[in-house]
Amino acid sequence: AQTVTQSQPEMSVQEAETVTLSCTYDTSESDYYLFWYKQPPSRQMILVIRQEAYKQQNATENRFSVNFQKAAKSFSLKISDSQLGDAAMYFCAYKGYSTLTFGKGTMLLVSP
Amino acid sequence: NAGVTQTPKFQVLKTGQSMTLQCAQDMNHEYMSWYRQDPGMGLRLIHYSVGAGITDQGEVPNGYNVSRSTTEDFPLRLLSAAPSQTSVYFCASSPAFGSGGPEQYFGPGTRLTVT
Repeated sequence: AQTVTQSQPEMSVQEAETVTLSCTYDTSESDYYLFWYKQPPSRQMILVIRQEAYKQQNATENRFSVNFQKAAKSFSLKISDSQLGDAAMYFCAYKGYSTLTFGKGTMLLVSP
Repeated sequence: NAGVTQTPKFQVLKTGQSMTLQCAQDMNHEYMSWYRQDPGMGLRLIHYSVGAGITDQGEVPNGYNVSRSTTEDFPLRLLSAAPSQTSVYFCASSPAFGSGGPEQYFGPGTRLTVT
């Protein structure tokens, strides 16, 4: 079974600064996707970014980018120029041929 | 498109009561699933379906039943509610793997309290 580990229960960043959230996963599959979801206090799950395992190029979406290290099974999320609206719970998730598996989440606090 | 809808948004049950959480999607997605979210545990898969008439268990299926008679609907039934089922429940849908994007689209969630 696949597992996803987020080792940082909570992270803090100041506005305009950069923060990196860590995620590692374990799988024996060769073809899969990785995701970062954001969950603000509204509870809605919002897709931030996705990465296909067969693509070597790291995905980027505006201020959000990933560092995907396939051999190390690592998938970190970098948030640049942090904004107050980035404050939320962030979940790393893995999807292979079967189901979507989530990490336990990292709470991101953003201070002015 | 409404996307994924869930009803109700909030529910309070007494121990032993039964109820059904409703989930519907209008994107013609084959894959639908139910998760529960508990503090410090992330989202854990309860049951999922890869198409009408096909369901399977996830990580935490005990105490829950599902059925999938149509592509659009995937209700979750609590047979005899227990305090341990107090949680936030999310329904999600996605296209089948390999046909379109793999992203799951989530409903707004149902907060269930069992007293």
